Amino acid sequence: GAGVSQSPSNKVTEKGKDVELRCDPISGHTALYWYRQSLGQGLEFLIYFQGNSAPDKSGLPSDRFSAERTGGSVSTLTIQRTQQEDSAVYLCASSRQLNTEAFFGQGTRLTVV
Amino acid sequence: GQQLNQSPQSMFIQEGEDVSMNCTSSSIFNTWLWYKQEPGEGPVLLIALYKAGELTSNGRLTAQFGITRKDSFLNISASIPSDVGIYFCAGLGGATNKLIFGTGTLLAVQP
Repeated sequence: GAGVSQSPSNKVTEKGKDVELRCDPISGHTALYWYRQSLGQGLEFLIYFQGNSAPDKSGLPSDRFSAERTGGSVSTLTIQRTQQEDSAVYLCASSRQLNTEAFFGQGTRLTVV
Repeated sequence: GQQLNQSPQSMFIQEGEDVSMNCTSSSIFNTWLWYKQEPGEGPVLLIALYKAGELTSNGRLTAQFGITRKDSFLNISASIPSDVGIYFCAGLGGATNKLIFGTGTLLAVQP
């Protein structure tokens, strides 16, 4: 597609349930990033993928968070046993390669009740 | 997580005024990016800077990549109401391949 696409745009889930958030990057972009943005806050780095290299997972806040990128394209961020503090907007971005400009999707607003 | 220092935190100005905001870091970066985020939207890229000392314009926006590679500023001239939003700087490269974001500057423009 023309831009980065994220789904769902909104997700409400019960505490303790697992959720999957999807990101479709811009076609041909080799780098993909996930960020978390809490209400009124800045962007917190979670993880990035670059080509076939091992992902940098250093920003994942706990072992309940994981992410995959299949076939170098679509990525899925999974949060297991969700907690209320996981409520935030989860943003995905892609870039043609590392160290070039990154373009963001509109985000998935996650609410854990 | 790691963040850049961005200032000011917020600005409340009259339409037509010029605006300046900046970012500083203790680390060097190879690339500086400036984004604008409106409510309910993802950040939108405004300007990308790739060389120390580079000065780049995009309409009423002008940004510079600091000569030390540890800072950048963004100027908006003749502000208009649709400039309202949160502006983020971001650094890339250098010691890290992560895209590191500033803390954001909230801009409010009164007509």
